[in-house]
Amino acid sequence: EIVLTQSPGTLSLSPGERATLSCRASQSVSNNQLVWYQQKPGQAPRLLIYGASTRATGIPDRFSGSGSGTDFTLTISRLEPEDFAVFYCQHDAIFGPGTKVDVK
Amino acid sequence: QLQLQESGPGLVKPSETLSLACTVSGGSISSSSNHWGWIRQPPGKGLEWIGTVHYNGGSTYYNPSLKSRVTVSVDTSRNQFSLRLTSVTAADTAVYYCARMPGGLFDSWGQGTLVTVSS
Repeated sequence: EIVLTQSPGTLSLSPGERATLSCRASQSVSNNQLVWYQQKPGQAPRLLIYGASTRATGIPDRFSGSGSGTDFTLTISRLEPEDFAVFYCQHDAIFGPGTKVDVK
Repeated sequence: QLQLQESGPGLVKPSETLSLACTVSGGSISSSSNHWGWIRQPPGKGLEWIGTVHYNGGSTYYNPSLKSRVTVSVDTSRNQFSLRLTSVTAADTAVYYCARMPGGLFDSWGQGTLVTVSS
Protein backbone atom coordinates (compact mmCIF):
# COMPACT_ATOMS: atom_id res chain seq x y z
CA GLU A 1 0.00 0.00 0.00
CA ILE A 2 1.26 3.40 -0.97
CA VAL A 3 2.17 5.91 1.76
CA LEU A 4 2.09 9.65 1.13
CA THR A 5 4.35 11.98 3.10
CA GLN A 6 3.84 15.74 3.07
CA SER A 7 6.34 18.41 4.02
CA PRO A 8 6.65 20.68 5.76
CA GLY A 9 4.07 20.00 8.42
CA THR A 10 3.49 23.71 8.83
CA LEU A 11 4.46 26.58 6.56
CA SER A 12 4.33 30.09 8.02
CA LEU A 13 4.20 32.77 5.34
CA SER A 14 2.88 36.27 4.72
CA PRO A 15 0.25 37.27 2.14
CA GLY A 16 1.90 37.85 -1.22
CA GLU A 17 4.60 35.26 -0.62
CA ARG A 18 5.08 32.07 -2.59
CA ALA A 19 4.17 28.73 -1.00
CA THR A 20 5.78 25.46 -2.03
CA LEU A 21 4.29 22.26 -0.61
CA SER A 22 5.71 18.78 -1.15
CA CYS A 23 4.04 15.37 -1.38
CA ARG A 24 6.24 12.30 -1.64
CA ALA A 25 4.93 8.80 -2.36
CA SER A 26 6.49 5.56 -1.11
CA GLN A 27 6.16 4.12 -4.62
CA SER A 28 5.53 5.51 -8.05
CA VAL A 29 2.07 7.04 -8.49
CA SER A 30 0.31 5.37 -11.38
CA ASN A 31 -0.55 7.66 -14.31
CA ASN A 32 0.46 10.64 -12.14
CA GLN A 33 -2.98 10.39 -10.51
CA LEU A 34 -2.04 12.70 -7.65
CA VAL A 35 -4.71 15.02 -6.25
CA TRP A 36 -4.52 18.10 -4.03
CA TYR A 37 -7.25 19.48 -1.73
CA GLN A 38 -7.57 22.60 0.38
CA GLN A 39 -9.44 22.51 3.68
CA LYS A 40 -10.37 25.54 5.73
CA PRO A 41 -11.50 25.26 9.38
CA GLY A 42 -15.04 23.94 9.70
CA GLN A 43 -15.33 23.23 5.99
CA ALA A 44 -15.15 20.17 3.78
CA PRO A 45 -12.05 19.75 1.64
CA ARG A 46 -12.13 21.41 -1.78
CA LEU A 47 -10.64 19.81 -4.87
CA LEU A 48 -7.76 21.95 -6.21
CA ILE A 49 -5.60 19.89 -8.55
CA TYR A 50 -5.97 16.47 -10.16
CA GLY A 51 -3.75 14.46 -12.47
CA ALA A 52 -0.84 16.15 -10.66
CA SER A 53 -1.17 19.41 -12.60
CA THR A 54 -4.74 20.06 -13.82
CA ARG A 55 -6.65 22.74 -11.93
CA ALA A 56 -10.21 21.88 -10.98
CA THR A 57 -13.05 24.08 -12.15
CA GLY A 58 -12.95 27.55 -10.65
CA ILE A 59 -9.51 27.24 -9.07
CA PRO A 60 -7.40 30.40 -9.54
CA ASP A 61 -4.29 30.13 -11.65
CA ARG A 62 -2.07 31.11 -8.71
CA PHE A 63 -2.44 27.44 -7.72
CA SER A 64 -0.29 25.04 -9.74
CA GLY A 65 0.73 21.42 -9.40
CA SER A 66 3.75 19.63 -10.77
CA GLY A 67 5.74 16.46 -10.42
CA SER A 68 5.74 12.85 -11.46
CA GLY A 69 6.66 9.42 -10.20
CA THR A 70 7.07 9.79 -6.45
CA ASP A 71 7.63 13.55 -5.98
CA PHE A 72 4.91 16.15 -6.37
CA THR A 73 4.62 19.83 -5.57
CA LEU A 74 1.77 22.25 -5.02
CA THR A 75 2.74 25.88 -5.55
CA ILE A 76 0.74 28.96 -4.63
CA SER A 77 2.44 31.77 -6.51
CA ARG A 78 1.23 34.66 -4.34
CA LEU A 79 -0.70 33.90 -1.18
CA GLU A 80 -4.03 35.63 -0.81
CA PRO A 81 -5.63 35.99 2.64
CA GLU A 82 -8.21 33.31 1.77
CA ASP A 83 -5.52 30.75 0.86
CA PHE A 84 -4.39 30.04 4.40
CA ALA A 85 -5.59 26.51 5.14
CA VAL A 86 -4.52 22.87 5.35
CA PHE A 87 -3.58 21.15 2.09
CA TYR A 88 -3.79 17.40 1.52
CA CYS A 89 -2.46 15.26 -1.29
CA GLN A 90 -4.24 12.05 -2.25
CA HIS A 91 -3.79 9.03 -4.48
CA ASP A 92 -5.92 5.92 -4.82
CA ALA A 93 -8.04 6.80 -1.76
CA ILE A 94 -4.94 7.34 0.39
CA PHE A 95 -4.46 10.80 1.89
CA GLY A 96 -1.27 12.44 3.03
CA PRO A 97 -1.13 13.89 6.55
CA GLY A 98 -1.50 17.47 5.33
CA THR A 99 0.49 20.71 5.34
CA LYS A 100 -0.87 23.69 7.24
CA VAL A 101 -0.17 27.06 5.68
CA ASP A 102 -0.62 29.75 8.29
CA VAL A 103 0.01 33.47 8.60
CA LYS A 104 3.49 34.46 9.69
CA GLN B 1 -25.09 21.99 -9.23
CA LEU B 2 -24.53 18.71 -7.44
CA GLN B 3 -25.06 18.82 -3.69
CA LEU B 4 -24.50 16.13 -1.08
CA GLN B 5 -25.93 16.13 2.44
CA GLU B 6 -25.09 13.72 5.24
CA SER B 7 -27.73 12.76 7.79
CA GLY B 8 -27.89 10.53 10.84
CA PRO B 9 -27.44 10.47 14.62
CA GLY B 10 -24.79 12.72 16.08
CA LEU B 11 -24.30 10.49 19.11
CA VAL B 12 -23.75 6.73 19.10
CA LYS B 13 -23.06 4.50 22.10
CA PRO B 14 -19.94 2.34 22.23
CA SER B 15 -20.37 -1.15 20.68
CA GLU B 16 -23.41 0.03 18.70
CA THR B 17 -23.75 0.66 14.96
CA LEU B 18 -23.18 4.02 13.29
CA SER B 19 -25.54 4.60 10.36
CA LEU B 20 -25.37 7.59 8.04
CA ALA B 21 -27.05 8.47 4.78
CA CYS B 22 -25.92 10.82 2.04
CA THR B 23 -28.61 12.40 -0.09
CA VAL B 24 -27.58 13.58 -3.53
CA SER B 25 -29.45 16.49 -5.12
CA GLY B 26 -28.97 18.39 -8.35
CA GLY B 27 -28.27 15.19 -10.23
CA SER B 28 -28.96 11.48 -10.30
CA ILE B 29 -26.78 9.15 -8.29
CA SER B 30 -26.89 6.74 -11.23
CA SER B 31 -26.58 9.21 -14.09
CA SER B 32 -22.99 8.29 -14.86
CA SER B 33 -20.42 5.72 -14.00
CA ASN B 34 -19.57 7.43 -10.74
CA HIS B 35 -18.46 5.95 -7.51
CA TRP B 36 -19.61 7.40 -4.20
CA GLY B 37 -17.53 7.40 -1.05
CA TRP B 38 -17.27 8.09 2.64
CA ILE B 39 -14.34 9.82 4.32
CA ARG B 40 -13.89 10.70 7.97
CA GLN B 41 -11.78 13.13 9.96
CA PRO B 42 -11.24 12.76 13.72
CA PRO B 43 -11.17 16.08 15.55
CA GLY B 44 -7.92 17.91 14.81
CA LYS B 45 -6.60 15.13 12.58
CA GLY B 46 -6.32 14.23 8.90
CA LEU B 47 -8.59 12.57 6.37
CA GLU B 48 -9.23 8.83 6.24
CA TRP B 49 -11.06 7.11 3.41
CA ILE B 50 -13.67 4.62 4.68
CA GLY B 51 -15.25 3.03 1.65
CA THR B 52 -16.70 3.46 -1.83
CA VAL B 53 -19.64 2.06 -3.76
CA HIS B 54 -20.33 2.06 -7.48
CA TYR B 55 -23.60 3.74 -8.44
CA ASN B 56 -25.13 0.39 -9.44
CA GLY B 57 -24.32 -1.02 -6.02
CA GLY B 58 -22.51 -3.93 -7.54
CA SER B 59 -18.99 -3.00 -6.49
CA THR B 60 -17.76 -1.90 -3.10
CA TYR B 61 -14.28 -1.07 -1.85
CA TYR B 62 -13.27 -0.66 1.76
CA ASN B 63 -10.33 0.61 3.76
CA PRO B 64 -8.58 -2.59 4.90
CA SER B 65 -8.32 -1.25 8.44
CA LEU B 66 -12.13 -0.91 8.65
CA LYS B 67 -13.27 -3.60 6.25
CA SER B 68 -14.59 -6.02 8.86
CA ARG B 69 -16.95 -3.37 10.29
CA VAL B 70 -18.04 -1.33 7.26
CA THR B 71 -20.84 -1.58 4.74
CA VAL B 72 -21.49 1.04 2.06
CA SER B 73 -24.62 0.68 -0.05
CA VAL B 74 -26.62 2.68 -2.56
CA ASP B 75 -30.36 3.28 -2.91
CA THR B 76 -31.02 4.72 -6.35
CA SER B 77 -34.75 5.12 -5.66
CA ARG B 78 -33.93 7.62 -2.93
CA ASN B 79 -30.85 9.05 -4.68
CA GLN B 80 -28.92 8.14 -1.55
CA PHE B 81 -25.99 6.08 -0.45
CA SER B 82 -25.33 4.90 3.07
CA LEU B 83 -22.66 3.95 5.58
CA ARG B 84 -22.89 1.38 8.35
CA LEU B 85 -20.04 1.01 10.82
CA THR B 86 -20.50 -1.64 13.49
CA SER B 87 -19.01 -2.07 16.96
CA VAL B 88 -17.97 1.55 17.29
CA THR B 89 -15.55 2.86 19.88
CA ALA B 90 -14.38 6.32 20.88
CA ALA B 91 -11.77 6.07 18.12
CA ASP B 92 -14.61 6.30 15.59
CA THR B 93 -15.54 9.79 16.77
CA ALA B 94 -15.07 12.00 13.72
CA VAL B 95 -16.63 14.28 11.16
CA TYR B 96 -17.99 11.99 8.45
CA TYR B 97 -18.09 13.25 4.87
CA CYS B 98 -19.75 11.80 1.83
CA ALA B 99 -18.38 12.59 -1.62
CA ARG B 100 -18.63 11.80 -5.29
CA MET B 101 -15.63 9.86 -6.48
CA PRO B 102 -15.10 9.95 -10.24
CA GLY B 103 -11.87 8.44 -11.40
CA GLY B 104 -10.20 8.07 -8.02
CA LEU B 105 -10.65 11.62 -6.77
CA PHE B 106 -13.30 13.30 -4.60
CA ASP B 107 -14.78 16.23 -6.50
CA SER B 108 -17.99 17.06 -4.64
CA TRP B 109 -18.28 16.83 -0.87
CA GLY B 110 -21.04 17.07 1.68
CA GLN B 111 -20.61 19.57 4.49
CA GLY B 112 -19.82 16.78 6.94
CA THR B 113 -21.53 15.56 10.09
CA LEU B 114 -19.93 15.09 13.49
CA VAL B 115 -20.54 11.70 15.06
CA THR B 116 -19.51 11.28 18.68
CA VAL B 117 -19.18 7.84 20.24
CA SER B 118 -19.96 8.09 23.92
CA SER B 119 -22.17 6.48 26.51
